Amino acid sequence: NAGVTQTPKFQVLKTGQSMTLQCAQDMNHNSMYWYRQDPGMGLRLIYYSASEGTTDKGEVPNGYNVSRLNKREFSLRLESAAPSQTSVYFCASSEGEENNSPLHFGNGTRLTVT
Amino acid sequence: GDSVTQMEGPVTLSEEAFLTINCTYTATGYPSLFWYVQYPGEGLQLLLKATKADDKGSNKGFEATYRKETTSFHLEKGSVQVSDSAVYFCALRKGSSYKLIFGSGTRLLVRP
Repeated sequence: NAGVTQTPKFQVLKTGQSMTLQCAQDMNHNSMYWYRQDPGMGLRLIYYSASEGTTDKGEVPNGYNVSRLNKREFSLRLESAAPSQTSVYFCASSEGEENNSPLHFGNGTRLTVT
Repeated sequence: GDSVTQMEGPVTLSEEAFLTINCTYTATGYPSLFWYVQYPGEGLQLLLKATKADDKGSNKGFEATYRKETTSFHLEKGSVQVSDSAVYFCALRKGSSYKLIFGSGTRLLVRP
């Protein structure tokens, strides 16, 4: 009964380094999302994937890329990390496009860029 | 654009006190409204939801009523417990949009 699993839990990068955040869900959900959480700003959508094979930009996509590898997995890549990308990153999934289908979240990745 | 506004925290209460966390929204059309809760070190969990005007969502003693006339979805609980200490997020989602719009969150601290 894992739900949404994110790895790693913590990461420290130097400015300019790259890394990929991994996310997998076992609920057979169609839609997956990446959010970042910053103090006083709630959660902001970075990218989402409505279904396998599609990805779209959210509110704050600059500096990030995503891959929907298959129905289960949705990764987020930082090509050249910047201190402004220090944040807590959450992956989420939902059944689909119905507006009352809730999101299920992973436990987050805390990223620090120095 | 669409937005959600929550009362600023932290809200500090004694155990068994009455809780209200205010949430108002700005949106065209008929959004669905949600409350999510985040416990320390964890991701967000759905607490309750309402999909149309006058609906009441409820779960674990928490309630919120979708008030279209005042564009509000205030969270209430009659008697809080220490275990309710967490951050609470109000959110809306519209039509076929995949975007869930969150408020900035309200931290609740319940003292024994």
